[in-house]
Amino acid sequence: AQSVTQPDIHITVSEGASLELRCNYSYGATPYLFWYVQSPGQGLQLLLKYFSGDTLVQGIKGFEAEFKRSQSSFNLRKPSVHWSDAAEYFCAVDPILTGGGNKLTFGTGTQLKVEL
Amino acid sequence: SAVISQKPSRDICQRGTSLTIQCQVDSQVTMMFWYRQQPGQSLTLIATANQGSEATYESGFVIDKFPISRPNLTFSTLTVSNMSPEDSSIYLCSIRTSGSSYNEQFFGPGTRLTVL
Repeated sequence: AQSVTQPDIHITVSEGASLELRCNYSYGATPYLFWYVQSPGQGLQLLLKYFSGDTLVQGIKGFEAEFKRSQSSFNLRKPSVHWSDAAEYFCAVDPILTGGGNKLTFGTGTQLKVEL
Repeated sequence: SAVISQKPSRDICQRGTSLTIQCQVDSQVTMMFWYRQQPGQSLTLIATANQGSEATYESGFVIDKFPISRPNLTFSTLTVSNMSPEDSSIYLCSIRTSGSSYNEQFFGPGTRLTVL
């Protein structure tokens, strides 16, 4: 079955430390891939996206993500986390190339806590 | 990007009543969607709001429970009918902008609904 998996429900890092949030997908072909962030009481903000081409994509707020076809992964990274990065992060896919009807499917989210 | 607003931002309602949530966009958009985010959960697509015709509902969601209107290309409403505590969620309006090769998806700030 087609799915998006974020294996880490909660992650805690110290401010200034590096961060990696995992995302794996299961689709017949490579979908379009996204990372969104949801700060407390806020809507979702698009951090970055991957459609094709360079497998390392840069986003806003110093985030980047790397697409690895062999692992069906699209992990989000940041070299140095700031306290304001504490939020919930969602990986999402659009299975547009597999006839998925142009609809976003979200992972279950990873709650990031930043210790000062 | 387009600016999306939702009204109300939050509400507390009694069991058995209905609430209509409004979504207003500051420009015409091709597609509008409604999502539900239950407490501690990811986002689930309720339906696609079609301009001038009936909404397209996802599996598990029905028009009698979640009637949707979309009278024009900038506005949509979602009604949560005959509410129960299980309907307590954040409801998010989402849009796809037009005019680019791939229509990215953006989200409103959400409406936080609590049903007593």
